[in-house]
Amino acid sequence: GAGVSQSPSNKVTEKGKDVELRCDPISGHTALYWYRQSLGQGLEFLIYFQGNSAPDKSGLPSDRFSAERTGGSVSTLTIQRTQQEDSAVYLCASSFQGVIAEAFFGQGTRLTVV
Amino acid sequence: AQTVTQSQPEMSVQEAETVTLSCTYDTSESDYYLFWYKQPPSRQMILVIRQEAYKQQNATENRFSVNFQKAAKSFSLKISDSQLGDAAMYFCAYRSAIRGGSNYKLTFGKGTLLTVNP
Repeated sequence: GAGVSQSPSNKVTEKGKDVELRCDPISGHTALYWYRQSLGQGLEFLIYFQGNSAPDKSGLPSDRFSAERTGGSVSTLTIQRTQQEDSAVYLCASSFQGVIAEAFFGQGTRLTVV
Repeated sequence: AQTVTQSQPEMSVQEAETVTLSCTYDTSESDYYLFWYKQPPSRQMILVIRQEAYKQQNATENRFSVNFQKAAKSFSLKISDSQLGDAAMYFCAYRSAIRGGSNYKLTFGKGTLLTVNP
């Protein structure tokens, strides 16, 4: 596609429910990142995928958070038993491999837990 | 671990004037990359400008330029001839130049909200 696509754009869920957030990276990009942006905060790194390598999950805040990337393309971030503190904008980015490669971001999913 | 600090939560500028956004960072590495991203209300992060730490020359992109002071670990963004479309949240970010693992991740500051007054 022309850019990184995330869905849904907005999600309201009840506390305790599970949610899935989807990211379609730019075709050909081997690297994919998930970030969380809480109100008034910067972007917090969650997880990083690079090709077929094991993902770097060091930023996931708890075991309620998980992510997968199927076929080296689409990624899904799953939050189980959502809590109110999970409310945030979840941003996905993709890039070619390499430290100087520009990361392109999607428009994010705004998650609200009520 | 690297940290990025933006000490100005909000800034305002008159249209056509110049504004400078501040950013400092902390790292023990000698080679790295610094970025300024713009986030308009659409939420999509847009790369404004990039600086390689090994380059002494300050990066410039049209109306946007940086003042990179490596010894002081400072990386400010100057916007000249400000336009209404420049109004957005601006984030400073750091990326290690060490290959491999999570070094590819970007570490962000908390952002500066820029308002442009007509």
